[in-house]
Amino acid sequence: DVKVTQSSRYLVKRTGEKVFLECVQDMDHENMFWYRQDPGLGLRLIYFSYDVKMKEKGDIPEGYSVSREKKERFSLILESASTNQTSMYLCASRPPGLSNNEQFFGPGTRLTVL
Amino acid sequence: GNSVTQMEGPVTLSEEAFLTINCTYTATGYPSLFWYVQYPGEGLQLLLKATKADDKGSNKGFEATYRKETTSFHLEKGSVQVSDSAVYFCALTSSWGAQKLVFGQGTRLTINP
Repeated sequence: DVKVTQSSRYLVKRTGEKVFLECVQDMDHENMFWYRQDPGLGLRLIYFSYDVKMKEKGDIPEGYSVSREKKERFSLILESASTNQTSMYLCASRPPGLSNNEQFFGPGTRLTVL
Repeated sequence: GNSVTQMEGPVTLSEEAFLTINCTYTATGYPSLFWYVQYPGEGLQLLLKATKADDKGSNKGFEATYRKETTSFHLEKGSVQVSDSAVYFCALTSSWGAQKLVFGQGTRLTINP
């Protein structure tokens, strides 16, 4: 079975802290994605990666960075957390090839920044 | 750019009612279309998909038909159950490149017994 795991289900941090959200997939997928989910806005893409050490900005990358040192792991970094980054963060992965376009999602991390 | 518009929620129905959640899209080329479902406390799961015009995706009694002429992909179910209570997202992905998913805003569905 396909599995995407995220390091925490709930996280509370303070303004200005550096925050790491970890995502691991066990499917040997090349493509990995980070989204944030906010009520009324759906899911918005923050960053994605199509290979180790490769990354591209999504639609809302400001205030975030990412790291992909190993194929199975994709980390989202909030360099200096702010209250407007309080949100649900969802990681996803996708197999290679144009025909395999389903994305598999992790359970999400609900981050609160105080 | 690509975009997806879903009917606004929340939607509340009684058990065994007929369900329609509207979804329209704007895209260049020939996108693939998806419905994802998010049950309480969980991540998103693929419910169904369609990859070309006139395709019908179906799963768990839900159906949606890819209508290129009306740029729509409405979700339907003939008789909903309490267990269908969830948030439903319509999404599309381009047929080339990184195939990023573009989501609608989501529709919260509550089914009362």
